Amino acid sequence: GAVVSQHPSRVICKSGTSVKIECRSLDFQATTMFWYRQFPKQSLMLMATSNEGSKATYEQGVEKDKFLINHASLTLSTLTVTSAHPEDSSFYICSAPGTGAYQPQHFGDGTRLSIL
Amino acid sequence: EDQVTQSPEALRLQEGESSSLNCSYTVSGLRGLFWYRQDPGKGPEFLFTLYSAGEEKEKERLKATLTKKESFLHITAPKPEDSATYLCALTQGAQKLVFGQGTRLTINP
Repeated sequence: GAVVSQHPSRVICKSGTSVKIECRSLDFQATTMFWYRQFPKQSLMLMATSNEGSKATYEQGVEKDKFLINHASLTLSTLTVTSAHPEDSSFYICSAPGTGAYQPQHFGDGTRLSIL
Repeated sequence: EDQVTQSPEALRLQEGESSSLNCSYTVSGLRGLFWYRQDPGKGPEFLFTLYSAGEEKEKERLKATLTKKESFLHITAPKPEDSATYLCALTQGAQKLVFGQGTRLTINP
């Protein structure tokens, strides 16, 4: 079945560091990918839609200059958290839709980001 | 505005004790209602898609049903390995998903 790979699985770094997270669709192409953020014991909140070959679409309240998204190819989207601070610590998850209308999203295993 | 509300927030069952999880929704034009399972520290794993009222789908001990206002995830004779958070989600335009808060299910041996 469709697989989405996310890397790294865990990052611990100092405040002020920029962190890049990769999301790859392994056996299918994805012109669109999605980035979510999840706090402990809460549900997934959509941050942005990553569009291959064009700018990402951000949800209301998400700072586009803080969370840079690049969709460089049909199988890779990256999320860069710039100048990260402790409040950016969270679980970040990407997804890509399967082929065909109204197909389920396939999720990566997430990245646990901890900013000290 | 599309909304998804799940209940209960948490549920503890004994092994073999059947129960149901609820997902109530409001949407202007249902394109798909999805159930996912999420284990701690992992991304959601797809379980079912339901498209129209009256539809039912089954997988092992799980059965999902759909009405015009809500969906149920029935779990029959659960085992400890069924312990997870179960998420319900709606498709919005452009394939975006709106998630409910989830139900944390714990099955005690």
